[in-house]
Amino acid sequence: QVQLKESGPGLVQPSQTLSLTCTVSGFSLTSYNVHWVRQPTGKGLEWMGVIWTGGSTDYNSALKSRLSISRDTSKSQVFLKMNSLQTEDIATYYCARESPYYYVMDAWGQGASVTVSS
Amino acid sequence: DVVLTQSPATLSVTPGERISLSCRASESVDTYLHWYQQKPNESPRLLIKYASQSISGIPSRFSGSGSGTDFTLSINGVELEDLSIYYCQQGNSLPYTFGAGTKLELK
Repeated sequence: QVQLKESGPGLVQPSQTLSLTCTVSGFSLTSYNVHWVRQPTGKGLEWMGVIWTGGSTDYNSALKSRLSISRDTSKSQVFLKMNSLQTEDIATYYCARESPYYYVMDAWGQGASVTVSS
Repeated sequence: DVVLTQSPATLSVTPGERISLSCRASESVDTYLHWYQQKPNESPRLLIKYASQSISGIPSRFSGSGSGTDFTLSINGVELEDLSIYYCQQGNSLPYTFGAGTKLELK
């Protein structure tokens, strides 16, 4: 059964770094790409970035200077780190799976809610 | 970046009616256009891929059409469980982008 599950602190202080983990099961990170998508409360979806099966990454240019995506294939985990967090980064953060060259996200995690506050 | 414009923003529906939702791209995305359904407090769920391909487990009342820049998601016989927000997403080029969504509400 394919599963993705996001985890991490729900509260981050302004200007600090957000660290989230996406733990997957039912598939291999060397066979599927994993994307990060976020959604501010009551708003739409924003694509943040992707880690490809080979380990390379691509990022939304609006976030590129602050964002890093990495993985540990042995633990089936993908990591998101974003620095200099502000209130505009308050959102639910999702990881989602994509089959290589399919260009569609066919399985999503439950989401991790992140608040930025001192 | 490809901009996806969804219309209408909100659609009031009566159970049983056939409805159509629109998604227009600022440039051609071929058929790399996908539809997702998001219910309150849930993650998005893939409904239709590549503009018109059905997804296993999704009711047959959902269908999609279009190519290039104009796409449509149709629901043939809306049910109460379909009251959700529907997003289109293009996978033709990075960054992947989403439309702002169409919210189905009860008339």
